[in-house]
Amino acid sequence: ETGVTQTPRHLVMGMTNKKSLKCEQHLGHNAMYWYKQSAKKPLELMFVYSLEERVENNSVPSRFSPECPNSSHLFLHLHTLQPEDSALYLCASIGRRRARLLERETQYFGPGTRLLVL
Amino acid sequence: QKEVEQNSGPLSVPEGAIASLNCTYSDRVSQSFFWYRQYSGKSPELIMSIYSNGDKEDGRFTAQLNKASQYVSLLIRDSQPSDSATYLCAVKNDYKLSFGAGTTVTVRA
Repeated sequence: ETGVTQTPRHLVMGMTNKKSLKCEQHLGHNAMYWYKQSAKKPLELMFVYSLEERVENNSVPSRFSPECPNSSHLFLHLHTLQPEDSALYLCASIGRRRARLLERETQYFGPGTRLLVL
Repeated sequence: QKEVEQNSGPLSVPEGAIASLNCTYSDRVSQSFFWYRQYSGKSPELIMSIYSNGDKEDGRFTAQLNKASQYVSLLIRDSQPSDSATYLCAVKNDYKLSFGAGTTVTVRA
């Protein structure tokens, strides 16, 4: 367990449905990420939130809508998805941990939500 | 040019051998470097981080960083069947993480 949780773990939805993915961390991390991982493809960065402000949106279609209400929670709202959106959606968080006199970044992934769009 | 490139796999090594994974990156100002292991159907798991030039050892894993050559590597000594997975190289600059496509390692018993 990394301390980053995601719900649901599996989701099947039709193209007309609206659903939301949830990510939660209580690690004191200050940046949270959404990634998409399709079969046999590298991780694709979708959104980055730093201190609850969206700092990156990698040309993601508007049918994906992120929300970060506070530093511990991150949502990905889904609507009118396409079958090609079926993938593993991963949340990650990064924080700062003191190691000796230097700050070091630590980062953790949640278990992911396996999404199937029919 | 891809931001992070890894040597193409799959890499097959016999049990007990050394698996060597390579990664190059394009952004010279990158600050932090990570290796993740991802088992099939699971999320990536952080196994090593390195920030300074040189070697860093943790158990059977050794990460090597050469910022002048923009090169990061991971050595897995005494490879075990449980090391069979896809290994992802990640490079961080400020808040952004860039991942390589991954190298799949298979350890033959």
